Amino acid sequence: GAGVSQSPRYKVAKRGQDVALRCDPISGHVSLFWYQQALGQGPEFLTYFQNEAQLDKSGLPSDRFFAERPEGSVSTLKIQRTQQEDSAVYLCASSLGRGSTGELFFGEGSRLTVL
Amino acid sequence: DAKTTQPNSMESNEEEPVHLPCNHSTISGTDYIHWYRQLPSQGPEYVIHGLTSNVNNRMASLAIAEDRKSSTLILHRATLRDAAVYYCILRDAGGTSYGKLTFGQGTILTVHP
Repeated sequence: GAGVSQSPRYKVAKRGQDVALRCDPISGHVSLFWYQQALGQGPEFLTYFQNEAQLDKSGLPSDRFFAERPEGSVSTLKIQRTQQEDSAVYLCASSLGRGSTGELFFGEGSRLTVL
Repeated sequence: DAKTTQPNSMESNEEEPVHLPCNHSTISGTDYIHWYRQLPSQGPEYVIHGLTSNVNNRMASLAIAEDRKSSTLILHRATLRDAAVYYCILRDAGGTSYGKLTFGQGTILTVHP
């Protein structure tokens, strides 16, 4: 497809379960961002990849959150031992270049509900 | 990150112009002013950005104050499809920056038929 694709679109997990959220960026895009958006709030930065290198993970809320992009394309955000406060929409965005110019293209997000 | 201040909500009528204000008094010389919007159940989408001069594109216009401490996003003729949350964001374009976007609360725009 032409845009950023995220899967699953909806995920319901029981507290304590592990979840994995996938992001397929636009082909050829170097930069990839993950954001977390709680209900009624703006998106909050989680982590940033430049190709396969994770250059910034300062926004990951705890060591239960882990992200990878092993071949510089598809990325996975993994949340271990999910808690109710992890319920949110997780957004992935990609951009063509390495730097600070250029539009970010966002996916539709993966909505995680932890029961 | 330099902070922006936007009204929580605004309302408009269809086919009328909308002016969405943003204050950014602590903007630095390398900060670009970006606007993104988020329609219900969608990810944010880029609207427009600028540095010092006013900018126009097919979606909107961006008017930037001479001192760069404020800006206004202008939708020339609002449609129902423009109902969204509008985010004004300062994006650091400095040499070592990778341009992380820091979102605030945004302005919820309601468009009445």
